[in-house]
Amino acid sequence: DQQVKQNSPSLSVQEGRISILNCDYTNSMFDYFLWYKKYPAEGPTFLISISSIKDKNEDGRFTVFLNKSAKHLSLHIVPSQPGDSAVYFCAAGGNKLTFGTGTQLKVEL
Amino acid sequence: GAVVSQHPSRVICKSGTSVKIECRSLDFQATTMFWYRQFPKKSLMLMATSNEGSKATYEQGVEKDKFLINHASLTLSTLTVTSAHPEDSSFYICSAARTSGISETQYFGPGTRLLVL
Repeated sequence: DQQVKQNSPSLSVQEGRISILNCDYTNSMFDYFLWYKKYPAEGPTFLISISSIKDKNEDGRFTVFLNKSAKHLSLHIVPSQPGDSAVYFCAAGGNKLTFGTGTQLKVEL
Repeated sequence: GAVVSQHPSRVICKSGTSVKIECRSLDFQATTMFWYRQFPKKSLMLMATSNEGSKATYEQGVEKDKFLINHASLTLSTLTVTSAHPEDSSFYICSAARTSGISETQYFGPGTRLLVL
């Protein structure tokens, strides 16, 4: 049972445009959400997080939106850069994290 | 920043041998460390959670006698894959958190690629 889902395995965006990565979850007990970026053969790198009491958190080019009623969160990257090309995992939980299956983002020149 | 290291980064071993993987938090004290496993093109799967000085809590389906976890200090946790078999081949990643609080960010190590022949 996949409690955290990223339905798009891949996404391709042009440099300078907005990248929108989506994530859905089923467990209403999740109260903390994070996005991680991962390059092949490396550990994930923390990007941005949001708690369930907020609906938006912004950090530079990265913004995370949370829609609790829809159990949906998204990561916006703007403007997208070639160096953003990686696999992005959303994660949800409390004391422990449940990860989505990841979305491969490719930012093209 | 918060830096977590893992050693070795890559290991190849024969079936039936045991392999130890170290996870260290280099610039902070980690009350809690986590061990994950990632299969190709799959999500990170939490194997176990360990708190310094206490026994690890294993996730359902993870054999605690096969995957021995020791969190001996606030900067070191080890995962030992005992009597490894080819199906244990995977990418193992640890993470560390300063506290066990619900909003505490986990910082990940670079991972260890295990190949069992």
